[in-house]
Amino acid sequence: QITLTESGPSLVKPTQTLTLTCTFSGFSLRASGVGVGWIRQPPGKGLEWLGHIFWDDDRRYNPSLEGRVTITKDTSENQVVLTVTDMDPEDTATYYCAHGRGFSVTTVDYFDFWGQGTLVTVSS
Amino acid sequence: DIQMTQSPSSLSASVGDRVTITCRASQTIGNYLTWYQQKPGKVPAVLIYATSKLQSGVPSRFSGSGSGADFTLTISSLQPEDFATFYCQQSYSHPFTFGPGTKVEIK
Repeated sequence: QITLTESGPSLVKPTQTLTLTCTFSGFSLRASGVGVGWIRQPPGKGLEWLGHIFWDDDRRYNPSLEGRVTITKDTSENQVVLTVTDMDPEDTATYYCAHGRGFSVTTVDYFDFWGQGTLVTVSS
Repeated sequence: DIQMTQSPSSLSASVGDRVTITCRASQTIGNYLTWYQQKPGKVPAVLIYATSKLQSGVPSRFSGSGSGADFTLTISSLQPEDFATFYCQQSYSHPFTFGPGTKVEIK
């Protein structure tokens, strides 16, 4: 059974750095073809892919965040960490981590198990 | 970036209705298309991946079709638990992009 849980601050100030941890079970990021992604959803709005990390440490990011996003993994702890620098009120959203799967074993194409999400508010 | 559009943005339908939602990409994306359902206050859940493959555990009343840049999600007979917002997502190229969503409401 695959589960993912996001943890981190619920409130950050503008210009601060957000660090969220995704702790997962039921799979290993050492296994080929596996990835973990981060997706966010502003209140009442749609979904935005932030990026994902693959089992081989390949990382992909959304360039719309202009280099502010970093995703790292700790395979021994079954954790993936999202860092977003220079937070702005427009970054207020529910942040989800999700298990990524591909149409082939060489990619991530979609997200089949999601954490419950954590609401992060950016306000002074 | 590949832009994804969906139509309609919302619809009202009755239980038992056949519902069709369209997703269009700004360029051809092969079969790299996934559909998600998000119920109010809940986490998105994958329904269809690779355009037409039904995710394990998803009822067979959901189906997907399409190719190139035009895709369709069909619910053959709408059930009370299907009222939600539906999103398409392309994985043909990075950055992955989602459609804006189609909200299916009770008539």
